[in-house]
Parts: sequence; structure tokens; C-alpha cells
Amino acid sequence: DQQVKQNSPSLSVQEGRISILNCDYTNSMFDYFLWYKKYPAEGPTFLISISSIKDKNEDGRFTVFLNKSAKHLSLHIVPSQPGDSAVYFCAARINYGQNFVFGPGTRLSVLP
Amino acid sequence: KAGVTQTPRYLIKTRGQQVTLSCSPISGHRSVSWYQQTPGQGLQFLFEYFSETQRNKGNFPGRFSGRQFSNSRSEMNVSTLELGDSALYLCASSQGQGETQYFGPGTRLLVL
Repeated sequence: DQQVKQNSPSLSVQEGRISILNCDYTNSMFDYFLWYKKYPAEGPTFLISISSIKDKNEDGRFTVFLNKSAKHLSLHIVPSQPGDSAVYFCAARINYGQNFVFGPGTRLSVLP
Repeated sequence: KAGVTQTPRYLIKTRGQQVTLSCSPISGHRSVSWYQQTPGQGLQFLFEYFSETQRNKGNFPGRFSGRQFSNSRSEMNVSTLELGDSALYLCASSQGQGETQYFGPGTRLLVL
């Protein structure tokens, strides 16, 4: 049973527009969430995190929103750039000391 | 600070052989986690080590094992390799358990 879901395997966005990547989870005990970006043949790169006590966290062009009641988080990239084209993973953990559970990823293509 | 390093980067083995992969975490990081990524799959958690002790374990057979040394470096071993073990093996380090993880570039293993 997949606890962290990314239901869109791929997403295409025009350069300069907003990219919205979605992630749903089933375990209400998750308390800390991460987003990673991964290029081919490289390890994932940490982008941004959010704790369950917050509903928004912002870092430059990246903003993560958390809706606990809907068990949903989203990553907004504004404005999108061609270099943002990669696979994006969300990850969640139950509490401090527990391992992270990763979603299957969404491939983002930013078109020039 | 230097990032997470993994050796070797690429490896070709045949069925039935065993393999050992190495991971050096970011300086000061005491937790090391291992993941397997296969085509079309997300990151599947293998195990996590903290202070030389395995703290968490994923759903992988006993052929997959690991260890951590006093300097936090970690090794992962896979015995009796199967074709399905062909994957990208990623190592991630964090300062403590359950904290934000930073990934290495991965070791791509091909089993023939």
C-alpha cells in the first residue's frame, strides 16, 4: 500500500509560468515532509521541507503548501525555468527517528 | 562541506555474485540511509544506520545487508545477486535520524 502518492507521472509547463506538483498521503501521522529534485544519473537534491505545524514554507522560487485535513501537499515553482526540468519526489516521515517514505515521482518538463 | 560520496559509481556483476557499495556521508552527519531506485519506481528504503547501529529497515530480503563504521561511513552488501537487483543505489546522510537527508550521486549496478 503506497503511503505517499504522486498521481501525475508527468507534467509539462511553459517557461515563465507556474509549475504545481502534487503529493497525497494516507498516513495522518506524517509530521515532516520534503521535496527533492532529481536529474538523470544524479542523486536527488533537497529542495524544501515543511513541518506539519505549518501550512506554507517558501524558499526563493519554491513554495510548499500543506493541507493536513486533505492529506495533501503541493510544490509551486514560480517562475518555471528550463533547468527545473527533472523528476520531483515528495517524501514524508511519521516522527523524528523514523525513515522517510518517498512517492514515485513526477517528471516536470519546462518548455522554452 | 563536501557532499555525500559513493563508490563505485558504476558496477557490472553477474548473477550469483556479491557486491559491496560504499558511502561517505557529509562531515558531521551521523545517520546514513540506503535506497534502491529501479526504472519506473520511486525510492525504496533499504535501511538506516545511526551510530553504527541499524535503526530502521525496509522490506528487502536478507541478501541485502549493511553496516556503519565509527567514522559514519557505511557499506551496503548484496549477496547472491539476481537480475532484479539491477538498480541505482542511493545513499543519503543526515545529521540525525529523521532529519533532512542529502543524497550522493548513486551507484548504478547492472546484474547480467
